[in-house]
Formats: sequence, C-alpha cells, structure tokens
Amino acid sequence: EVQLVESGGGLVQPGRSLRLSCAASGFTFENYAMHWVRQVPGKGLEWVSGISWKGGSTGYADSVKSRFTISRDNAKTSLYLQMNSLRTEDTALYYCAKDIGEVAFYYMDVWGKGTTVSVSS
Amino acid sequence: QSALTQPASVSGSPGQSITISCTGTSSDVGTYNLVSWYQQHPGKAPKVMISYVSKRPSGVSNRFSGSKSGNTASLTISGLQAEDEADYYCCSYGGSSTYVFGTGTKVTVL
Repeated sequence: EVQLVESGGGLVQPGRSLRLSCAASGFTFENYAMHWVRQVPGKGLEWVSGISWKGGSTGYADSVKSRFTISRDNAKTSLYLQMNSLRTEDTALYYCAKDIGEVAFYYMDVWGKGTTVSVSS
Repeated sequence: QSALTQPASVSGSPGQSITISCTGTSSDVGTYNLVSWYQQHPGKAPKVMISYVSKRPSGVSNRFSGSKSGNTASLTISGLQAEDEADYYCCSYGGSSTYVFGTGTKVTVL
C-alpha cells in the first residue's frame, strides 16, 4: 500500500524552529519528486515547497522562502521540512504529497493525512 | 505566486452539470498544460480528479472533465451526485519548480 505518514508537528513559539518528517512506503521513493502543502483550518490549500527526485531542484512559496528548507533522504525514504523563524501565520495542517514526476513537477497523486503545526506564544 | 482565482461557491441539483473556473496568469495557467484539480471532503486529504488540464487519473469518474482556454482552466462535473459535495481546488505549475493553488470552491448539491 502506498503511504505517506507525516510527523514532527506541535506547538512552538514564534521565532522558534521545527522539523517535519514524512515517511514514505509502498513505492520507489527515490523515483519521484515530493512536496509539502499546508492548509489553515477552514481555509484553502497552499503549496509550500517541492523537491526533485535526487534533491537537485527545489522550489518554495514566497511566503516561506529563506525560512523553510526542504530536503530528502532517499536511503531512508523520508522527506523533511526544516522550518525556521516560525510565524503565527505558519499555523496549519502540513501535508506531504508525492508527485508523479521525477525531476519536473506534474501533479500530486498521493497525500498523507498531515501533521499540525501551531505557532503561538 | 498569487493564488489562482476560483469562485467561492457553486451549487447545483442532482443530475445537473456545474462548471468551476480557475483564472491564473500567463506565468502559470496560460503557459503550462500542467493544471490539476483536487477534491477535498471535510477532514480528508485532497484527491486528484483531473491532471494535465483534462486527463482523468485511473479510478476517477468520467463525470469529471477539464479544459483550458488562455489563462483560465475549468472543471465540469456532469450528472451531479450527493457525493460530489466537497471543496475543489485547481493547481498549476508556476515555473521554477513551483506550484500555485486556486482559492478553492465549495460545491453544494442542493
């Protein structure tokens, strides 16, 4: 069964850091680009960041650029999101999603259930 | 990286057809045939319904169809059913390894 399981969310103070993880199983992780997408409760989806199959290409939403860093460990079939200088507006449910592309981005066909990040003092 | 524009809500009676628009710019929807549509039921993860503007992934009902003209993409749901009531989001490749989502549309089956 193809599965993505996010972890690492929690309550954190503004200005602090948090690292999200996504454990992948049921498919050849190293063959696909991966993404992080977030959703504020009751609001819409926002693409956060994406990374190509070998990590050579990365992209970020303007709202997180220079604060968040996406990475992957193909040996551990895991995706990560290092979030620094967190702001209250980063509070959201963070989904991990698999792309059908390798280097390029085409569309996201598998999604995890998400992990919740709350930024508050 | 401005969000693509969708109507906040669309409604229809069972059996009817509805269309959701998704307006972007020449930097995203207008340039790339990489528009996808996602259905999201409350408390659930999104599910892809349309890829590459108009292609249905395996398992998606043929009642769902997509198209694009210029900077605007559209999702049409034919033969509306109660189970179609959900939020729908368009998504486009935006160049330079980025995606941009639409603002989302709540579909109500009357």
